[in-house]
Amino acid sequence: SQQGEEDPQALSIQEGENATMNCSYKTSINNLQWYRQNSGRGLVHLILIRSNEREKHSGRLRVTLDTSKKSSSLLITASRAADTASYFCFYGNNRLAFGKGNQVVVIP
Amino acid sequence: EPEVTQTPSHQVTQMGQEVILRCVPISNHLYFYWYRQILGQKVEFLVSFYNNEISEKSEIFDDQFSVERPDGSNFTLKIRSTKLEDSAMYFCASSEAAETDTQYFGPGTRLTVL
Repeated sequence: SQQGEEDPQALSIQEGENATMNCSYKTSINNLQWYRQNSGRGLVHLILIRSNEREKHSGRLRVTLDTSKKSSSLLITASRAADTASYFCFYGNNRLAFGKGNQVVVIP
Repeated sequence: EPEVTQTPSHQVTQMGQEVILRCVPISNHLYFYWYRQILGQKVEFLVSFYNNEISEKSEIFDDQFSVERPDGSNFTLKIRSTKLEDSAMYFCASSEAAETDTQYFGPGTRLTVL
């Protein structure tokens, strides 16, 4: 089965900085979604971008989608300590799986 | 805000025992899913369920696994004879309209097989 694959990253940034993470996938998609997982906790849906959209904003989150490159990026602006988590991309397909995730640590 | 709930939060069992993990999806959702996450690894798809039948399952979902929607609200995952390697976090999710729709996840059940 295909799955969203993040460029594996472990980001450590200062509070207030921006955090960017990327994801690539291999097949056509209906949409691409980003989720956050705090350590040992459940998955929280952050944002969904449809295949006909190029950019989407939600609060401090900005997602871009480049279907020609089969890639997406998630930008968190003005990061906070509470943003410390793992971030996964996951694309809309009925064989559903996540990549390994991007670990983001925001230092207060 | 409606949410997916799961019980128990932590289940400890002996190898070879049967376990049932329970989930209550969001009430107007039609699609249901189980995932698992072995400690330190990625989240893996197990099965999706729609209209009272399995719509998709992964290679992990072998004959020892089964799912059921016994009534109008619960969605269960049964593992018939647990193995040590079944120890993982199990997440239930639901979506409203389709498998490509936003999925809402429960908090997970941590299964420990001894």
